[in-house]
Amino acid sequence: DAGVIQSPRHEVTEMGQEVTLRCKPISGHNSLFWYRQTMMRGLELLIYFNNNVPIDDSGMPEDRFSAKMPNASFSTLKIQPSEPRDSAVYFCASSFGSSLPETQYFGPGTRLLVL
Amino acid sequence: DQQVKQNSPSLSVQEGRISILNCDYTNSMFDYFLWYKKYPAEGPTFLISISSIKDKNEDGRFTVFLNKSAKHLSLHIVPSQPGDSAVYFCAASEYSGYALNFGKGTSLLVTP
Repeated sequence: DAGVIQSPRHEVTEMGQEVTLRCKPISGHNSLFWYRQTMMRGLELLIYFNNNVPIDDSGMPEDRFSAKMPNASFSTLKIQPSEPRDSAVYFCASSFGSSLPETQYFGPGTRLLVL
Repeated sequence: DQQVKQNSPSLSVQEGRISILNCDYTNSMFDYFLWYKKYPAEGPTFLISISSIKDKNEDGRFTVFLNKSAKHLSLHIVPSQPGDSAVYFCAASEYSGYALNFGKGTSLLVTP
């Protein structure tokens, strides 16, 4: 059974460029989470979707960040324009269930470097 | 500010001995706690959890202890194995919530 799939695994870009990170959650899971990991702040929740609807985006750092979930099997996190301080590892996670909390299953992450 | 704190960035233990990883939290509304393990270049994987109605949960070599009055939990690994070498994250949430609040992790090294 495939786990959470993220692409690309590594991304190097220049400041000002648009970056799009992609996630395919585990089939049948109805919740999806985007996290960012940095040395300074550790793992932080950016946004949470339930049944493809954004429920909480309070963790999104600023308007340069946006996330979409057009269907149950795909989500994107976009940064436009990117800045060096956005360099981090971005994880996508998914879970199943109507009663919270549920164990979240993480993808391998996308390591982003903005020069 | 961090609501979940792992004050030891690293820990080294000999194979066969006990590993004890500690975690403190500040939010008294947290009532569900999890430990995740992370290998390099991989995402965190769920290890074990405990709800606030319990003070201990065991799964094979892994045991999590919860001390609500002290707002402290610990993960015991007995016996430790070299394959346990990884970064361990403590996480907490409110039972009615979805957001996991993570500590910054403790890097465990189990030496032969």
